[in-house]
Amino acid sequence: DTVLTQSPTLAVSPGERVTISCRASESVTTRMHWYQQKPGQQPKLLIFGASNLESGVPARFSGSGSGTDFTLTIDPVEASDTATYFCQQSWNDPFTFGTGTKLELK
Amino acid sequence: QVQLQQSGAELVKPGSSVKISCKASGYTFTSYDMFWIKQQPGNGLEWIGWIYPGNGNTKYNQKFNGKATLTADKSSSTAYMHLSSLTSEDSAIYFCAIGGSFFEHWGQGVMVTVSS
Repeated sequence: DTVLTQSPTLAVSPGERVTISCRASESVTTRMHWYQQKPGQQPKLLIFGASNLESGVPARFSGSGSGTDFTLTIDPVEASDTATYFCQQSWNDPFTFGTGTKLELK
Repeated sequence: QVQLQQSGAELVKPGSSVKISCKASGYTFTSYDMFWIKQQPGNGLEWIGWIYPGNGNTKYNQKFNGKATLTADKSSSTAYMHLSSLTSEDSAIYFCAIGGSFFEHWGQGVMVTVSS
């Protein structure tokens, strides 16, 4: 299975720019997607196809990358962005998710 | 608007089975794959499989072959997942979701606890 590796935690101050990384164990072309999950809630789609913003998601969120290295950027970060962020690939079978990056605000 | 309403929490005994549901509304149920995803406390997410309600076709993550069985009832726009031979490793939150290669809409999740 394709393993997606994310840093466990990140801490930033409101107003700063943060980049969350996701590295795949093999190429997933641009079939990488990002979700935000807050405690007790279901995940919410933010970015699909590596760089496409889901409808209704603030333009503060953006995605980039291809192949094996991907990033989700939030600029500027707001207090409401406190959550865990997951990447997910859909190029290789089975679909797999990253382990998640917990974003904390200072 | 699209809504996926899942059934309530389950407390089940080891070795037993459970069937959880996902009632869809706000879109054409038979036109989109319904996915099922597992999330263990503190752990990441795992894709279990999908069913296409239009014709009943299914695809499973090999890891869940023999563990999960997906069905769908077109008359009630409800998808089901049956989990068998439950162990503590099956204790998790189970989500249904629709989309193509990514998941645009999710149910609220069902917590399944396996305990004697």
